[in-house]
This record gives sequence, C-alpha cells and structure tokens, in this order.
Amino acid sequence: GAGVSQSPRYKVAKRGQDVALRCDPISGHVSLFWYQQALGQGPEFLTYFQNEAQLDKSGLPSDRFFAERPEGSVSTLKIQRTQQEDSAVYLCASSLRRSGRANEQFFGPGTRLTVL
Amino acid sequence: AQSVAQPEDQVNVAEGNPLTVKCTYSVSGNPYLFWYVQYPNRGLQFLLKYITGDNLVKGSYGFEAEFNKSQTSFHLKKPSALVSDSALYFCAVRDGDNYGQNFVFGPGTRLSVLP
Repeated sequence: GAGVSQSPRYKVAKRGQDVALRCDPISGHVSLFWYQQALGQGPEFLTYFQNEAQLDKSGLPSDRFFAERPEGSVSTLKIQRTQQEDSAVYLCASSLRRSGRANEQFFGPGTRLTVL
Repeated sequence: AQSVAQPEDQVNVAEGNPLTVKCTYSVSGNPYLFWYVQYPNRGLQFLLKYITGDNLVKGSYGFEAEFNKSQTSFHLKKPSALVSDSALYFCAVRDGDNYGQNFVFGPGTRLSVLP
C-alpha cells in the first residue's frame, strides 16, 4: 500500500474487555514499531519487531499488553482486560531497514482507544 | 538514558513571518535527531533529520533545522510561515551509538500561524 494503515481507527471498549489493534506496514518494510500517545503527549515506545522477531518489548506497560507479527508483515497489538488508563492513541510505524537507527519511521494514522 | 525537551507548549506566529520551534536533547552517544509534524486525526509525518555532516538540515515543506552540539539543540525553522503549517510538531532523538535504543519523542509544540 501507499502508507501504513491501522484499523480500527476508533475503538470504544468497556473496562475489562479485550481489544486487538491491527497495523499494516508499508510493503517490504522490515522494522515495525508500536507507540502509545496519551492526550497532549508525545508518542512513547512500546515494542519493536524486525520481520517476525520481537526484538524489544521494554515499553509495554504491563503483561496485559501483547504484540505479534507472525509472518513479518501485519502486526496486532492486543490489550487484555482493558483499564481506563489504557485510553490513548496507538500508533504503528514502519521502517525499511532493520532497526535502522538513521532511518526515519513512517507512521500510520493511529487507533484511538477509549476505555469506559 | 535519552530525553527530549520542547520548552514551548504553543508557538504563535503571523503568516509570512519566520518561525522557530525549539528542541533540546540529552543522549549519551551520537545524537540522531528528527522532526515530525502531526495534523489532526493523522499520523506523524517525517520532516527532516540530522545524522551527521552539515549542521543545517533542509527538509520537507521549506522547513530546516540547525544542529548545535554545544547547546544540545535542534531547533526547527522556516523563513516564512504559512497558515497551513499550523499543526503539532514533535522532536525525537535516537542514540546513534547504541543499537538497542529507540526513538524518544518530546512532548510536542503546537504551532499556530495566524492569517
């Protein structure tokens, strides 16, 4: 595709519900990142994949958060037993090369999660 | 640990005037610095980056930024602001010497260009 896409764009969940957020990176991009952006804040790193390998999950706030990228393309961020503090915009980004410290990341439009 | 500060929550500038959005950073290794812009209900868009070389970096939409190592700053500039530049701007840093470090973003600065 032309860019990174994410679905759904908006998700409302009741507290305790499980949610799954999808990211379709740019075709051929090796690296994939998930970020959490709280209202009025900058994005905060959650986790990073190189192809299907999850190389860094140090930013995941709790064991309720789980991410996967089984075939090295589409990724899913799953949040179990959602809490109100999980309400945020979840951004996905991809980058062409592995890690690619000098490479810019291309961001999707985000999924706005609201937990009631 | 790396960090980014954007000291101004909001910057207002008249259309046609020059604009500056400030960013300072802290990183233990060589800084890789980035600017992104975010429009409402859209993802972050890459503007420009500094990796090495010339301290003055030119990017998209007429923006430029100057890397100042002694002041640990990477301010974003544009000679003549447009109303369409109104958006949220994020500075980000990455430690170029540490493979394991990822992007750290600043809190953002909201730019309003007044007609």
